[in-house]
Amino acid sequence: AQTVTQSQPEMSVQEAETVTLSCTYDTSESDYYLFWYKQPPSRQMILVIRQEAYKQQNATENRFSVNFQKAAKSFSLKISDSQLGDAAMYFCAYRASGKSTFGDGTTLTVKP
Amino acid sequence: NAGVTQTPKFRILKIGQSMTLQCAQDMNHNYMYWYRQDPGMGLKLIYYSVGAGITDKGEVPNGYNVSRSTTEDFPLRLELAAPSQTSVYFCASTARQSYEQYFGPGTRLTVT
Repeated sequence: AQTVTQSQPEMSVQEAETVTLSCTYDTSESDYYLFWYKQPPSRQMILVIRQEAYKQQNATENRFSVNFQKAAKSFSLKISDSQLGDAAMYFCAYRASGKSTFGDGTTLTVKP
Repeated sequence: NAGVTQTPKFRILKIGQSMTLQCAQDMNHNYMYWYRQDPGMGLKLIYYSVGAGITDKGEVPNGYNVSRSTTEDFPLRLELAAPSQTSVYFCASTARQSYEQYFGPGTRLTVT
C-alpha cells in the first residue's frame, strides 16, 4: 500500500520569511501525481500545487514551489514571503490508479 | 455550478443507529471519493468510485457502504453507528486522476 509521511507535525515561520514543509511517500508505481492541499480552520480543502511524476521540472505557483525528488520519493513544499493568511494545516497527497493517500498534515503557524 | 455538496452539515447519532451521508456533484466528474478526518489527522479514504456502477474499498471501509447509481451522486451509508465513527466526513470528486480533487464542505458526525 502507498504511504505518505509528513514528518513535521508543526512548523512556524516569521512573516515574510521562507519555510519548507517535508513530505515523503512510498510507491512502486511509475505513473502518479502529487499534491499539496491547505486546510484553514474553515475545514475547506484548497489545492496549493500539483506535480506530475513524469515531469522533471518542479511545479511553482506564485509564492509556492516544490522540490520533487523522484528517486528519493520526496516532495517538499516551499512557501516564500510567508503571509499571515498562509497559517493552516497542509497536507501532502499522492494519487495513482484512481486512489488518493494523504499524509497526516503539518500545522503551519505564521508569526507577525 | 454548485460544485460538490454534502448533506447534512452536522449530525448526532446514537450507537446502533444508521444514516446516509449524501454527496452530489454537478461537474460531470467520473471519480468520486469519501474520506474521514479524525481530529488532528489526515484524510483516510473510505470508498471511491471511478464511474457510475463502479465502487471500490479504500483504506478504512469497515462499517460503511456506498453505491453509485448515477454520475452525480455518491451516498455513504453507515450501518450500526459506533463511537469510533465520530469524525468529519468529506466527499470529493475529480474529472481525471491527474487533476485536483474538489471537496465538499464536510459533515461533522458524532456518535454517542
